[in-house]
Amino acid sequence: KAGVTQTPRYLIKTRGQQVTLSCSPISGHRSVSWYQQTPGQGLQFLFEYFSETQRNKGNFPGRFSGRQFSNSRSEMNVSTLELGDSALYLCASSLGPGQGNEKLFFGSGTQLSVL
Amino acid sequence: LAKTTQPISMDSYEGQEVNITCSHNNIATNDYITWYQQFPSQGPRFIIQGYKTKVTNEVASLFIPADRKSSTLSLPRVSLSDTAVYYCLVGDPLFSGGYNKLIFGAGTRLAVHP
Repeated sequence: KAGVTQTPRYLIKTRGQQVTLSCSPISGHRSVSWYQQTPGQGLQFLFEYFSETQRNKGNFPGRFSGRQFSNSRSEMNVSTLELGDSALYLCASSLGPGQGNEKLFFGSGTQLSVL
Repeated sequence: LAKTTQPISMDSYEGQEVNITCSHNNIATNDYITWYQQFPSQGPRFIIQGYKTKVTNEVASLFIPADRKSSTLSLPRVSLSDTAVYYCLVGDPLFSGGYNKLIFGAGTRLAVHP
């Protein structure tokens, strides 16, 4: 079974631009969550989607948004990029609610650099 | 919120057993404890999960005392490839709809030396 796939692997943008990151979960997984990882802040939860609905959201500004499609694939978008948005963005998939405490399966991430 | 506290870093040598303890004083009744391992520039990888007492798999053991306010990840006979960051997580049901959200702390940076 294929793992979680994130594209692109690396991305370089300039301040003010916007970016869209993609995540394909493991087949059969219906929940997708996104995390931002920086050296100073560690792993921080962005949001989580299940059945095309956002069910949890972390403490990030509205410039960070996401969505999930009917095939469970997910995208996250960051608008008006700032230098501080440079980070490794990780996507994780899981079976979904009602499965006990969910085990997350992570992709390799998208390394975003904002210049 | 069910938060966790772990040592920031640990050092060990090849072949030794490593025990990493995590405190989670506010763990909820329905929460499980889960440990992840992360190598640089990769996403975290699930290691082990438990609710109480002891759980063992092919890579690690997890010891959870009766009060569940802490847990200990035990890595037997570590090798250089076990050098990584280890995260302890507990489920957090305090969200609308009762859905769980996993909160990653700072993790423990384990360095294994030859």
